[in-house]
Amino acid sequence: GEDVEQSLFLSVREGDSSVINCTYTDSSSTYLYWYKQEPGAGLQLLTYIFSNMDMKQDQRLTVLLNKKDKHLSLRIADTQTGDSAIYFCAETPFGNQGGKLIFGQGTELSVKP
Amino acid sequence: DAGVIQSPRHEVTEMGQEVTLRCKPISGHDYLFWYRQTMMRGLELLIYFNNNVPIDDSGMPEDRFSAKMPNASFSTLKIQPSEPRDSAVYFCASSSEGGIQPQHFGDGTRLSIL
Repeated sequence: GEDVEQSLFLSVREGDSSVINCTYTDSSSTYLYWYKQEPGAGLQLLTYIFSNMDMKQDQRLTVLLNKKDKHLSLRIADTQTGDSAIYFCAETPFGNQGGKLIFGQGTELSVKP
Repeated sequence: DAGVIQSPRHEVTEMGQEVTLRCKPISGHDYLFWYRQTMMRGLELLIYFNNNVPIDDSGMPEDRFSAKMPNASFSTLKIQPSEPRDSAVYFCASSSEGGIQPQHFGDGTRLSIL
């Protein structure tokens, strides 16, 4: 069945790069997303990648997709304390109507000064 | 542009009471989703609508939960009677273009059932 896995915690120092990893099971996924959730807030869309792409860059964010290994990563360059949040990976399995999303458990990123 | 608007932001009520959560999707979006988030279970999809019609309600926990979308700009999620285990943050999200466009989330309703 459909499943998305993430490690639960990541701790980095301010100014370092952060890499958050995600694995998924549905090889026919069409879109893969990264959302950010700050305390007490909803999920904010960060970026997304279509399954025929290997990489997408958006300012400090780089998304890498390895379809063979069903692995998605989000790299945040020059991580700041304001990047501390929970990051969710999500996929839209092909054939699911209406863009139903399958979410991972979320990775809590802690940025230390 | 206004995002997805949910109300109330916080709700505290006693067990057995009826609870109604409200959502206004982004104008022009034809898909609406209701999620529940808890520490134990993470983010769960409860139900979603397309053009005001429920498409998949397989995530609705039990008959105490019901959702409606009387028009394109309003949806409700109702719990009757409420129980302490329903305590969670409930999110509404909307999207367009058959779901190809990403879902946009509201800020959620934090529900506490005493």
